[in-house]
Amino acid sequence: DIQMTQSPSSLSASVGDRVTITCRASQSISKYLNWYQQKPGKAPKLLIFAASSLQSGVPSRFSGSGSGTDFTLTISSLQPEDFATYYCQQSYSAPRAFGQGTKVEIK
Amino acid sequence: QVQLQQWGAGLLKPSETLSLTCTVYGGSFSGYSWSWIRQPPGTGLEWIGEISHSGSTSYNPSLKSRVTVSFDTSKNQFSLKLSSVTAADTAVYYCARLSSGWPKWFDYWGQGTLVTVSS
Repeated sequence: DIQMTQSPSSLSASVGDRVTITCRASQSISKYLNWYQQKPGKAPKLLIFAASSLQSGVPSRFSGSGSGTDFTLTISSLQPEDFATYYCQQSYSAPRAFGQGTKVEIK
Repeated sequence: QVQLQQWGAGLLKPSETLSLTCTVYGGSFSGYSWSWIRQPPGTGLEWIGEISHSGSTSYNPSLKSRVTVSFDTSKNQFSLKLSSVTAADTAVYYCARLSSGWPKWFDYWGQGTLVTVSS
């Protein structure tokens, strides 16, 4: 099974900061990597699919990059509504594993 | 606008069977795959399993012996059954749609159902 590892597990940042979250797969998954945002008490929301494609309606300050085993989610200028937990997820093969999550907190 | 509405029993005793159903509104049911994902309190997301539009299923190996995912296309519904539950199965359970084509991602989610297993 493919394992997904995110780093860091949490971070503190200020409004306006540039934030980068990393996700690493235990084997190559090409570009089959998705990113989700989850706020407390809510279902996850798709942000990025296929490593770098922005889901419709998602602000352009979110971007994704990477291929193979190493991927990055970047928030170019952190906004108050972006404080949440972010998960990566591989869609290369079953089981569809998620990373353990990265909690973005207010500094 | 696609909406997934899920329901089921929220409190179970050990050894009982968890049963949840998800109804799809506002979009096509056929042509998509449908999935269940869970999240134990304070932790991350775990994929449970899914069913394709043709009825083929795929399950997480860690749960495979206890899980059944099925659908009823006449009602635009799909369901999850997890047998012999223990306290370790306490979690928020989500239903989700997998995007069409390849690769796939979870593009629509239900609201989540908290299932607690306690004697």
